[in-house]
Amino acid sequence: KNQVEQSPQSLIILEGKNCTLQCNYTVSPFSNLRWYKQDTGRGPVSLTIMTFSENTKSNGRYTATLDADTKQSSLHITASQLSDSASYICVVHYGNNRLAFGKGNQVVVIP
Amino acid sequence: EADIYQTPRYLVIGTGKKITLECSQTMGHDKMYWYQQDPGMELHLIHYSYGVNSTEKGDLSSESTVSRIRTEHFPLTLESARPSHTSQYLCASGRPGTGVEQFFGPGTRLTVL
Repeated sequence: KNQVEQSPQSLIILEGKNCTLQCNYTVSPFSNLRWYKQDTGRGPVSLTIMTFSENTKSNGRYTATLDADTKQSSLHITASQLSDSASYICVVHYGNNRLAFGKGNQVVVIP
Repeated sequence: EADIYQTPRYLVIGTGKKITLECSQTMGHDKMYWYQQDPGMELHLIHYSYGVNSTEKGDLSSESTVSRIRTEHFPLTLESARPSHTSQYLCASGRPGTGVEQFFGPGTRLTVL
């Protein structure tokens, strides 16, 4: 079983609509959690970092939440644009500088 | 856009060939990493380095080798490529104190026939 589970695996949404991506993790001790955006054929780019004491953080139309007690995070995309089509990867930093990667949420925004 | 570069972007070669995937960064980062990523799957760490002359194997066993002779350069070598090595290889770098943010290169898509 993967240490970081993301759902849904893939999602198709209409341009202008909102969507929420989920990330559940099992690793500990927790240090921080990052959401990355990976465009097709490109490397991942960091969108936001959540530390233990943070519940919510926004970066433009992206809003991340974290519940460290239940080990859950979400990434909400508001008013989606065609350029939001990408894979969104949840990465948890834990233990002695270890990283656990999710498989990603594949988002396709259609006009 | 991160200043980290990978060449080639795409490579198709025959079985048994020796290949080197190049990775360079101009940010002065001490930490560098190589990941392997198959379509629809998570990134798997295969090598990392915390500085010059430092190299370690990652979580995923790999037949590749790496070297770190200069801070900015972290090449990955396969002595004898096989079809099982077909994958995307991503290089990343990072510096201490950034919450382990990693800056990724564009990746090399390797196909071994």
